[in-house]
Amino acid sequence: SYVLTQPPSVSVAPGQTAGITCGGNNIGGKSVHWYQQKPGQAPVLVVYNDNDRPSGIPERFSGSNSGNTATLTISRVEAGDEADYYCQVWDGSGDPVIFGGGTKLTVL
Amino acid sequence: QISLKESGPTLVKPTQTLTLTCTFSGFSLTTNAVGVGWIRQPPGKALQWLALFYWDDDKHFRPSLKSRLTITKDTSKNQVVLTMTNMDPVDTATYYCAHTSGRGDYAWFDPWGQGTLVTVSS
Repeated sequence: SYVLTQPPSVSVAPGQTAGITCGGNNIGGKSVHWYQQKPGQAPVLVVYNDNDRPSGIPERFSGSNSGNTATLTISRVEAGDEADYYCQVWDGSGDPVIFGGGTKLTVL
Repeated sequence: QISLKESGPTLVKPTQTLTLTCTFSGFSLTTNAVGVGWIRQPPGKALQWLALFYWDDDKHFRPSLKSRLTITKDTSKNQVVLTMTNMDPVDTATYYCAHTSGRGDYAWFDPWGQGTLVTVSS
């Protein structure tokens, strides 16, 4: 079955840019969606279709997807961005809906 | 405004059947392309997709759990019900339901319910 690989953790200083990767075989051919989950809360969609933002999500959140890697980029990182981030795709075979293992973003 | 809320038991015994209800508002399961998904998260672990149920009764299940899962809807009550048989302690998790308005590559989940923690223990 299709596997999405995320780094367990990413650390960034406030005001800097954070990049969270999601690796998968030819993931560039799929649409990638990203969720933010703060402790004790339900996940929230922050990027869909590789690089679209739901209403209410700051422009600081953006995405890209090419080849074997998709990336969620958070610009001008704030303390409130500290959370777990998950990527998700549709595979169409095996497990149709696939989530990555999640990345914990720490704001230093 | 779309909202969803999960309800069901907080504690089940091993081998019992779990029944969870997702009650939603702000959308209808009679609308084209609309669906409800179920996702769970064991304590301290990653999200794990379980099932997806569309307006036209199209259903998808996690293959490894397919034999244990059933999903039904009650459009008059705006509810989707997930049942999971033969519960085991490894099924201890927070269970979420979530709205989707697309299929395939367009099947993202937004928004999610608040989640309900289910513990499996004798």
